[in-house]
Amino acid sequence: DGGITQSPKYLFRKEGQNVTLSCEQNLNHDAMYWYRQDPGQGLRLIYYSQIVNDFQKGDIAEGYSVSREKKESFPLTVTSAQKNPTAFYLCASTNGGTGAYEQYFGPGTRLTVT
Amino acid sequence: SQQGEEDPQALSIQEGENATMNCSYKTSINNLQWYRQNSGRGLVHLILIRSNEREKHSGRLRVTLDTSKKSSSLLITASRAADTASYFCATDNSGGGNKLTFGTGTQLKVEL
Repeated sequence: DGGITQSPKYLFRKEGQNVTLSCEQNLNHDAMYWYRQDPGQGLRLIYYSQIVNDFQKGDIAEGYSVSREKKESFPLTVTSAQKNPTAFYLCASTNGGTGAYEQYFGPGTRLTVT
Repeated sequence: SQQGEEDPQALSIQEGENATMNCSYKTSINNLQWYRQNSGRGLVHLILIRSNEREKHSGRLRVTLDTSKKSSSLLITASRAADTASYFCATDNSGGGNKLTFGTGTQLKVEL
C-alpha cells in the first residue's frame, strides 16, 4: 500500500521547545517537500529536497530545519526560533527530474504551540 | 509568496449545478495544477495542464488555461455534496524543479 505517512496527526508543544515532524514515503519518489498551511490560506513552501543529501530553502524557511539522509524520509524540525509555529504542516513527494509531475500529499500534522 | 489567486474565495451551490473557480497567476509557468482538500486533510491532485495546452478534461472536471491572460478555470459539472471541499490551483514555474506555488483557494459548498 503505497503512500506518504506523517506522524503524529496532532502535536502539542510548549513555547521554546524544538519539535520534529515525521514524513515517510514508499513511492520511490526522489523529491520531497514541506509546506505550512494557516487557517483559510493556501500552502507555503518551507523546504524541499530533490535528491538524497540535498535540500533547498523554500519561501518561509526561517525557524525550520530539515535533513534528507534517506530517500524515504524527510523530517522537519520546527525550532524555537520560529515565531509563529502553530499551523498545519503538510509533506508531499513527487518524481524528480524535469518532467511535469503531480505531488502526492500526506495527511498532515497539526502543531499547536502554547 | 503566493502566485495564484483564486476567485471566488467561497462558493455555495445546489447539488446538480455546475461550479466554476478561477485562478490568476503572475509569472510564466511550465504547468498549472488543481488540487482538492477536504477539511483538515492532505491535498489530492485533480488535474495538470501544461503551458502549451488550452483545455483538459477528467471525468466531471474541465480545466482551461489562458497563458496570455495568466489565468485558469476549473469547472465541476453536475456537482455532488461529496464535492464540498477547498480547491487550490498551483503553478510550476521552477524550470523543471517541480516546485509549486499555491493559490489561496476556493471553498466550495454543495448543498443537497
